[in-house]
Amino acid sequence: DTVLTQSPALAVSPGERVTISCRASESVSTGMHWYQQKPGQQPKLLIYGASNLESGVPARFSGSGSGTDFTLTIDPVEADDTATYFCQQSWNDFTFGSGTKLEIK
Amino acid sequence: QVTLKESGPGMLQPSKTLSLTCSFSGFSLSTSGMVVSWIRQPSGKSLEWLAAIDWDGDKYYNPSLKSRLTVSKDTSNTQVFLKITSVDIADTATYYCARGATSFDYWGQGVMVTVSS
Repeated sequence: DTVLTQSPALAVSPGERVTISCRASESVSTGMHWYQQKPGQQPKLLIYGASNLESGVPARFSGSGSGTDFTLTIDPVEADDTATYFCQQSWNDFTFGSGTKLEIK
Repeated sequence: QVTLKESGPGMLQPSKTLSLTCSFSGFSLSTSGMVVSWIRQPSGKSLEWLAAIDWDGDKYYNPSLKSRLTVSKDTSNTQVFLKITSVDIADTATYYCARGATSFDYWGQGVMVTVSS
């Protein structure tokens, strides 16, 4: 299995820039995708193919990386961005990261 | 408008077979490139991909669960099914179906399944 490692939690203030990282245990090329999940809701696709913004997602969200190291950036952060963010790889079957819980102070 | 909706038993006993249905609209699974997956999430935990079926009827399974999973679709290509045999408490989760071949762009609202005696 390709294991995806994410930091468990972050807290930032509105208007700040936040980066959420995801490290893969082996190269996944650009087969990395990011989701936002709010409590009681299904995940929502934000970024696909490492850096492509899903239709309808605000341009405040961006993704970068290739190989084993990937980043989701939100700039500027808004209060509504409070959620858990998951990375997911599609290079070797499908696996998800453990999620990063983002708190807006 | 693409929508997916999962349905299932809600609760079942250990050792039984779990049967889930994903009903969708706004796209056809007969269209080349279309894939529907099943993904689950225990409460407060991360997501686990289980299985997928594509437009051509090819099936894909999580290797760690493959022996217990069967994915299928109906002939009208508007429903996808998942069976999980010999369930135990560890199978308690919210089960989602989602569309996509690499990333998952549309998800159902999920159906909660509890395994309990």
